[in-house]
Amino acid sequence: EAQVTQNPRYLITVTGKKLTVTCSQNMNHEYMSWYRQDPGLGLRQIYYSMNVEVTDKGDVPEGYKVSRKEKRNFPLILESPSPNQTSLYFCASSSLQVNTEAFFGQGTRLTVV
Amino acid sequence: GQQVMQIPQYQHVQEGEDFTTYCNSSTTLSNIQWYKQRPGGHPVFLIQLVKSGEVKKQKRLTFQFGEAKKNSSLHITATQTTDVGTYFCAGPGGTGYALNFGKGTSLLVTP
Repeated sequence: EAQVTQNPRYLITVTGKKLTVTCSQNMNHEYMSWYRQDPGLGLRQIYYSMNVEVTDKGDVPEGYKVSRKEKRNFPLILESPSPNQTSLYFCASSSLQVNTEAFFGQGTRLTVV
Repeated sequence: GQQVMQIPQYQHVQEGEDFTTYCNSSTTLSNIQWYKQRPGGHPVFLIQLVKSGEVKKQKRLTFQFGEAKKNSSLHITATQTTDVGTYFCAGPGGTGYALNFGKGTSLLVTP
């Protein structure tokens, strides 16, 4: 089954404690991205990757890091989380052919206290 | 990227009523995609429109792409409680592969 898997689904952490949210896809997609979803703001792209070792900033990259060492995995790293990073996070993947649909993970609900 | 504006932000209808959400861009879009997110769920792809004036149907859902490729709409005929969720349109982002999402329209259907 084609899928994007995120872990964990829920996370409560304290300010400043480094955390990683994992994302893995089994569709051999080149393009992967991270979004955050906040009430009234919709989905905003944090970072994206067009292939292994190729990453770039999206619209809201501050406070986040990513890596793409393998094609299937695209972890999101918060080196020093702050309360304003409390949000719902989605990982997505798609083929590099233009005009193809994005497949989303189940989401990670992060609370930073 | 090309920003897309979506209205309304919320819509509450009685079951059986119709529903429409609109998506507008100030620039021409090469394509537009529509996604649905159920409460507590993740966005799921519904459809993509590419051609000027294109109309596509999926059962009770009708999707349109404007002649100028600057606007799009999703119309649901005779809503059902299973239609509840947030509907997003998305236009191409700066790289051409990214998606610029509208802020979504949250649909509530009362039985």
